[in-house]
Amino acid sequence: DTAVSQTPKYLVTQMGNDKSIKCEQNLGHDTMYWYKQDSKKFLKIMFSYNNKELIINETVPNRFSPKSPDKAHLNLHINSLELGDSAVYFCASSQSGLAGSNEQFFGPGTRLTVL
Amino acid sequence: AQSVAQPEDQVNVAEGNPLTVKCTYSVSGNPYLFWYVQYPNRGLQFLLKYITGDNLVKGSYGFEAEFNKSQTSFHLKKPSALVSDSALYFCAVRDRASSASKIIFGSGTRLSIRP
Repeated sequence: DTAVSQTPKYLVTQMGNDKSIKCEQNLGHDTMYWYKQDSKKFLKIMFSYNNKELIINETVPNRFSPKSPDKAHLNLHINSLELGDSAVYFCASSQSGLAGSNEQFFGPGTRLTVL
Repeated sequence: AQSVAQPEDQVNVAEGNPLTVKCTYSVSGNPYLFWYVQYPNRGLQFLLKYITGDNLVKGSYGFEAEFNKSQTSFHLKKPSALVSDSALYFCAVRDRASSASKIIFGSGTRLSIRP
């Protein structure tokens, strides 16, 4: 049973297009995240939702819009894709509590390539 | 502001030898500290964490880490390396003073175990 799943696994698209990445977790967690991992493997948080409420919104272009229809899902929509958006995007989830001491569970990643 | 540093991009160890992957951190208060491992084309997997209590924390796959408050370090160790330990390792820190604080990941250390 996959704990955190993402679709698609690979996404190749042209500059200027709009695309979405979906994420689902079946762990019963109440907090979900989106991370971007660049070609040098640096991992940076983009957004975090707790019980469908946005709690972390890093300095990310407003072309990126997360959406959480329920606490098991966190989707990422990207408008007007640019070359610099090429990266691996990871979804993660965790259970809140103890002031953030709980570990995160990561999905397998979506490799986005913008041509 | 919180930060975490992994001073070594790469660590090379012979199989059967002990390994250490270094991590130092900076937070305004007390930290939660984590180690994650990333195998090729996979998401990050949780290895271990320090919350409170014993400074020596044991985790998955025989790894352990020692929290050293005076040196603000949380080095990852294993007494006897396996070829299968070869992967990318990330240290992460979260400031326990705020439940809304985000987790900050280090730049990663590539561990290579030669047979």
